[in-house]
Amino acid sequence: NAGVTQTPKFRILKIGQSMTLQCTQDMNHNYMYWYRQDPGMGLKLIYYSVGAGITDKGEVPNGYNVSRSTTEDFPLRLELAAPSQTSVYFCASTLAGGGDTQYFGPGTRLTVL
Amino acid sequence: DQQVKQNSPSLSVQEGRISILNCDYTNSMFDYFLWYKKYPAEGPTFLISISSIKDKNEDGRFTVFLNKSAKHLSLHIVPSQPGDSAVYFCAAYPTQGGSEKLVFGKGTKLTVNP
Repeated sequence: NAGVTQTPKFRILKIGQSMTLQCTQDMNHNYMYWYRQDPGMGLKLIYYSVGAGITDKGEVPNGYNVSRSTTEDFPLRLELAAPSQTSVYFCASTLAGGGDTQYFGPGTRLTVL
Repeated sequence: DQQVKQNSPSLSVQEGRISILNCDYTNSMFDYFLWYKKYPAEGPTFLISISSIKDKNEDGRFTVFLNKSAKHLSLHIVPSQPGDSAVYFCAAYPTQGGSEKLVFGKGTKLTVNP
């Protein structure tokens, strides 16, 4: 059981480039989340999904897109990267949503120059 | 507007002593609270939780206390160990209302000195 895996671990982008952060979970969890953590800040929710085919915006969705075509995968797409998107990105999943324990991936550290 | 506040960015304690991490919340709809622990270069991991029907929950060296009237909770670690050095996030959730979102505080970095 690998839990939640994220790729890549690190990435440097130039302003205006695009990329997709991958997230996969093997726990058959219905709910999946994308967070970003800026230095000295807490986790801010970008997007979440309550099941395959269903996604919704979180607190800071601008500049990002998501899709959920399978239960296992929840990729996060950055279009036209900006320096403000420099952050550490965490994917998480949970079986029942809400206050159920969230299992986090190891994170992707993204720098936009 | 921060709904979950951890006003101490850092805390340093000696090994063997008690660590007390504090968390305040403003939204009275929050009725379920969790603590997550995060080591550098890793994702957060769940530590302990408490429902508003309780005022205390204990798990080994970790105890969370909830004071609903003050909208305040605290995490006690006794005795503290160097391996407890990490960032601790408080999170809150309203079980009523259909929200699927946890709200996290900014975290407190705990350093336990040998």
